[in-house]
Amino acid sequence: GQNIDQPTEMTATEGAIVQINCTYQTSGFNGLFWYQQHAGEAPTFLSYNVLDGLEEKGRFSSFLSRSKGYSYLLLKELQMKDSASYLCAVSVDRGSTLGRLYFGRGTQLTVWP
Amino acid sequence: GAGVSQSPSNKVTEKGKDVELRCDPISGHTALYWYRQSLGQGLEFLIYFQGNSAPDKSGLPSDRFSAERTGGSVSTLTIQRTQQEDSAVYLCASSLEAGPSNQPQHFGDGTRLSIL
Repeated sequence: GQNIDQPTEMTATEGAIVQINCTYQTSGFNGLFWYQQHAGEAPTFLSYNVLDGLEEKGRFSSFLSRSKGYSYLLLKELQMKDSASYLCAVSVDRGSTLGRLYFGRGTQLTVWP
Repeated sequence: GAGVSQSPSNKVTEKGKDVELRCDPISGHTALYWYRQSLGQGLEFLIYFQGNSAPDKSGLPSDRFSAERTGGSVSTLTIQRTQQEDSAVYLCASSLEAGPSNQPQHFGDGTRLSIL
């Protein structure tokens, strides 16, 4: 099976930087996604990594190390609206499961003023 | 439409009744997924459809659950003889395609199902 771990909760203050880690153990790794989900709303796509390294998108960056089974999402210049659950999801490449995502339980981030 | 549309947004029903949930994916998206999200749990994969291929049903928790996708577009998820443990938010997602290109999945707002 697939095992994806991320912290349950994190807190930070407005304007700060926060790093949300995700570790995974999968077979047939085919990429890693980060999603943001506000309470009662749909998850929205943030980033995708398939090669090692850092992908930067404005205030959000995502890093991947395939050899270590590790990713992080970095949020800079935190704003109150960044309070949400951040979901790490792994895509596997294994026959009929191609395209299916395996999700972690999500990290609930609370940003304080 | 502009995004993935799901209906109803909320459904309350009695234990033992059947329910049908609907998903209308983004136009042109060939891949469609159903997930379930229970309180404090991650998204649990249920089933996915890719074009005209046989669906991947490996995530369906029991034979009370079934899904169809008609004409490669709208999908319905049916739960028969509902149980209280079926209470959850059911999310539908679609993407341009499934496979090595890893197109991101776009989610609907979900159907919040409550079984009394």
